[in-house]
Amino acid sequence: AQRVTQPEKLLSVFKGAPVELKCNYSYSGSPELFWYVQYSRQRLQLLLRHISRESIKGFTADLNKGETSFHLKKPFAQEEDSAMYYCALRVGFGNEKLTFGTGTRLTIIP
Amino acid sequence: DAGVTQSPTHLIKTRGQQVTLRCSPISGHKSVSWYQQVLGQGPQFIFQYYEKEERGRGNFPDRFSARQFPNYSSELNVNALLLGDSALYLCASSRGDRGLSGETQYFGPGTRLLVL
Repeated sequence: AQRVTQPEKLLSVFKGAPVELKCNYSYSGSPELFWYVQYSRQRLQLLLRHISRESIKGFTADLNKGETSFHLKKPFAQEEDSAMYYCALRVGFGNEKLTFGTGTRLTIIP
Repeated sequence: DAGVTQSPTHLIKTRGQQVTLRCSPISGHKSVSWYQQVLGQGPQFIFQYYEKEERGRGNFPDRFSARQFPNYSSELNVNALLLGDSALYLCASSRGDRGLSGETQYFGPGTRLLVL
């Protein structure tokens, strides 16, 4: 069965410093990987996914199949980046099941 | 569009009772998925329904059931509630027409269930 691991429950970074949120997965095939974000008092929303290879709010993530990782990065943290971040994986076609990690709470220190 | 809506927002039940949670997807979305999020954990997949048919089921006991109506809204039903069922229950909708690019799921605000 597939699994997503986010090793850091909490991460604090100073404003302007680089951010990296780690995500590792276990799945033998080719999964789809996603990052979801939940800002304070807001609903869970998609931040980015590896298929689109785009940068959202300055965040990027590269799928590394060799290391089975999908780390989220941003070169310069902003205060509004403080939120809960979840890495998620989806496999196969025809189903919408997302397997989530336990999440990382990112706090940007002013 | 208000996005995915869920009702009620909060609910308190006692052990052994039954509960029904409701979800209305975004207009035009035919797929609805349910997730359980226990405090401190990520969401865990319970069910997916597409065009009123069950398309996926997670590792949950038979006490959990769901259905989807002709208007694509959905209900999640949990029987014989246990203390461990206390969680945030999330509903997500998507168009359901999965192609190679995949489908974005849009989440509702959730229903917080407390079992005493």
